[in-house]
Amino acid sequence: NAGVTQTPKFQVLKTGQSMTLQCAQDMNHEYMSWYRQDPGMGLRLIHYSVGAGITDQGEVPNGYNVSRSTTEDFPLRLLSAAPSQTSVYFCASSRFPSYNSPLHFGNGTRLTVT
Amino acid sequence: AQSVTQLDSQVPVFEEAPVELRCNYSSSVSVYLFWYVQYPNQGLQLLLKYLSGSTLVESINGFEAEFNKSQTSFHLRKPSVHISDTAEYFCAASPSGGYNKLIFGAGTRLAVHP
Repeated sequence: NAGVTQTPKFQVLKTGQSMTLQCAQDMNHEYMSWYRQDPGMGLRLIHYSVGAGITDQGEVPNGYNVSRSTTEDFPLRLLSAAPSQTSVYFCASSRFPSYNSPLHFGNGTRLTVT
Repeated sequence: AQSVTQLDSQVPVFEEAPVELRCNYSSSVSVYLFWYVQYPNQGLQLLLKYLSGSTLVESINGFEAEFNKSQTSFHLRKPSVHISDTAEYFCAASPSGGYNKLIFGAGTRLAVHP
């Protein structure tokens, strides 16, 4: 089992560039989510999905888009990168969207926007 | 709005010494509480959780946490730490148990020295 796979591990962008952070899970999980981790602030939820074709906003959605066309994949798109989006991004998935199944995290993508 | 406060950003400790990582939450309703651990360059892993019932919960690697409703606290303790416990620890809370409402604290970096 690969679990939750995030690519790339590192990325440097210039302001205004766009890119997609990839997230894939092979556990047939219904719930998938994206967090950003910033020093002194813990993790904050960007977007989440409770199944293919269903997405919703989290705490900090501005500047990010998501889609969920398959159960396995949940890409995060930055349309026009800004220095404020410099962060470590984590994808997480779970069989169900609540405490009765554990949340599995990927190893993260470290993004720097210059 | 719900919040989670981790009172110490860094905790240095010598090997085999006891440690307590403090966490307070604010919530006017029932709450589900979690501790996650993040080892260097990895995603978060669930350490333990409080859902209901006994206020003392334990993990498989010797950590325990006690839910104290009157003090709105969920402190994490270990009687004797190892070098391998060096990591960042995050306290998290959800009013409903749903992951889309999970709020993380800012994290406490535990550094165990020989």
